[in-house]
Amino acid sequence: DSGVTQTPKHLITATGQRVTLRCSPRSGDLSVYWYQQSLDQGLQFLIQYYNGEERAKGNILERFSAQQFPDLHSELNLSSLELGDSALYFCASSLRTGGPEKLFFGSGTQLSVL
Amino acid sequence: DQQVKQNSPSLSVQEGRISILNCDYTNSMFDYFLWYKKYPAEGPTFLISISSIKDKNEDGRFTVFLNKSAKHLSLHIVPSQPGDSAVYFCAASANTGNQFYFGTGTSLTVIP
Repeated sequence: DSGVTQTPKHLITATGQRVTLRCSPRSGDLSVYWYQQSLDQGLQFLIQYYNGEERAKGNILERFSAQQFPDLHSELNLSSLELGDSALYFCASSLRTGGPEKLFFGSGTQLSVL
Repeated sequence: DQQVKQNSPSLSVQEGRISILNCDYTNSMFDYFLWYKKYPAEGPTFLISISSIKDKNEDGRFTVFLNKSAKHLSLHIVPSQPGDSAVYFCAASANTGNQFYFGTGTSLTVIP
């Protein structure tokens, strides 16, 4: 158990809908990262927050947004969903803002857009 | 633009033999490298890391080698065990940055 909790584990929705994925980092970790893993793709970095502030942005679509709350949990909001958004979404946490340190990953949320 | 590449999608090895997983990167600013292991329905778990000041790091059966001039790293697993069957991701970061870049993964199958 990595100590990173993601909910829900599975999410099935329709095109055009909006969903929210939730992540609770390891106790004491201030930094939260979101990654997307599509079929046959690596882990694509979406966005990072550190202690409530956005620190880095990757290949995140404008239809997607995220935030980190005062209790350090984070939410990833996906709107106007398309079939291509179906993927495994991982949250990871670390103590600081970046290397050299390792990330601890949650077990992911499998999103299926039908 | 894939800055970290794992060109072998899959690898099969007999139990007891050596498994060698390869990773190439393009960004010369990367100075910290990690390997993660992922089982189905689970998140990636940290396996081993190496800083650019070293060229080798060993942890039990796992050894990572870094060749900075070639921008190449490899993970050696000796001896390979059936429980090592998983997808292995290579990742890299620059100390001045806030992103970890991951490769596309190599699926390792260790045959009993």
